[in-house]
Amino acid sequence: SAVISQKPSRDICQRGTSLTIQCQVDSQVTMMFWYRQQPGQSLTLIATANQGSEATYESGFVIDKFPISRPNLTFSTLTVSNMSPEDSSIYLCSVDETGLLDTEAFFGQGTRLTVV
Amino acid sequence: AQSVAQPEDQVNVAEGNPLTVKCTYSVSGNPYLFWYVQYPNRGLQFLLKYITGDNLVKGSYGFEAEFNKSQTSFHLKKPSALVSDSALYFCAVRDGAAGNKLTFGGGTRVLVKP
Repeated sequence: SAVISQKPSRDICQRGTSLTIQCQVDSQVTMMFWYRQQPGQSLTLIATANQGSEATYESGFVIDKFPISRPNLTFSTLTVSNMSPEDSSIYLCSVDETGLLDTEAFFGQGTRLTVV
Repeated sequence: AQSVAQPEDQVNVAEGNPLTVKCTYSVSGNPYLFWYVQYPNRGLQFLLKYITGDNLVKGSYGFEAEFNKSQTSFHLKKPSALVSDSALYFCAVRDGAAGNKLTFGGGTRVLVKP
């Protein structure tokens, strides 16, 4: 299984600032995803990070707020822009090595973000 | 649209007793079902999956899950729970008709008491 390194593991940020989260995988993977887990809640898919093209965002999430990069098959970043306290969540990077329906996704350790 | 329901927010069980975490799903195509566990301050760890074939699926750490098509359920089970099984458990589904997106249930917190 892929080994995923996510940085930073946690951060406390001032409102109005931006934070960029990095996700590094130890092997080339077909699919990379970004999820948000609000306090006490389940995981919500933010977007699919597409290599070499713009990310595909889910309903309720927009590129201006959550710009995503994926320059190659092993790395992606998620930026949380113009943060407010409502953005306080755990952000998780996930990878799917094959892109096939029957393969499990793997997750990074998550980034715990607190906005004050 | 695909969806997953975990009807119990929390399950309490005594160590050594059987553990069951419930999950029901709704899909329009063939379901691909997954269970994940999240320990405090950690990411999600994959436990097991159902793709096709035997309805009873065995996974990591002694967990198993039973797929029931008529009841659209995929309950997670462990014959004898350990205190170290205390964690947050998520059921997830992919629908063959909806592409690669994983949809997660709300999660069930398991507390195993010594």
